[in-house]
Amino acid sequence: GAVVSQHPSRVICKSGTSVKIECRSLDFQATTMFWYRQFPKQSLMLMATSNEGSKATYEQGVEKDKFLINHASLTLSTLTVTSAHPEDSSFYICSAAGYVPQPQHFGDGTRLSIL
Amino acid sequence: AQKITQTQPGMFVQEKEAVTLDCTYDTSDPSYGLFWYKQPSSGEMIFLIYQGSYDQQNATEGRYSLNFQKARKSANLVISASQLGDSAMYFCAMREGPTGNQFYFGTGTSLTVIP
Repeated sequence: GAVVSQHPSRVICKSGTSVKIECRSLDFQATTMFWYRQFPKQSLMLMATSNEGSKATYEQGVEKDKFLINHASLTLSTLTVTSAHPEDSSFYICSAAGYVPQPQHFGDGTRLSIL
Repeated sequence: AQKITQTQPGMFVQEKEAVTLDCTYDTSDPSYGLFWYKQPSSGEMIFLIYQGSYDQQNATEGRYSLNFQKARKSANLVISASQLGDSAMYFCAMREGPTGNQFYFGTGTSLTVIP
């Protein structure tokens, strides 16, 4: 099946640090990539949707200056959490989808802990 | 209205028995896709099964089958011969929209398989 690689899997850093998370589709071209945040025992919360070469579409309430998304190619999207604070600690998971009707394929997620 | 509704926050099943996880959806788009994902405690989202809105037959993938009732807008997941490794969160999802960029997830069902 399709493989999506997300890196790093875990980050622990000090408050004020910026953290970059990479999401790569390894064996297919992703027309769309999605970034989610998930709190314990809850469903996925969509943060933004990005298409290759265009600006990401952010969900209401998600600060675009805080969560910078770059979708540089059909196989790579990055999420940068700028000046992270403890409230940004969470599980961040990316996914990639090809053309309809393909499903989203997810990366393994990144556990971000801000001290 | 909720796009995806999963009414069972938690389910228990005896090992080797079958279990049905409920999912109803809401859309006016004639073309859509329905998906089920499994999320074990390790966090990764695993794609299980897909059903297209125009598919005449119910989807099956090994021990997973999707009971698609279009008129009732339901897409229940049936897991046959449950195994201990099936214990996880299960999310129902739908993809719709002119570009297929709209993905919606349910709140999930936590399945516990009892030995």
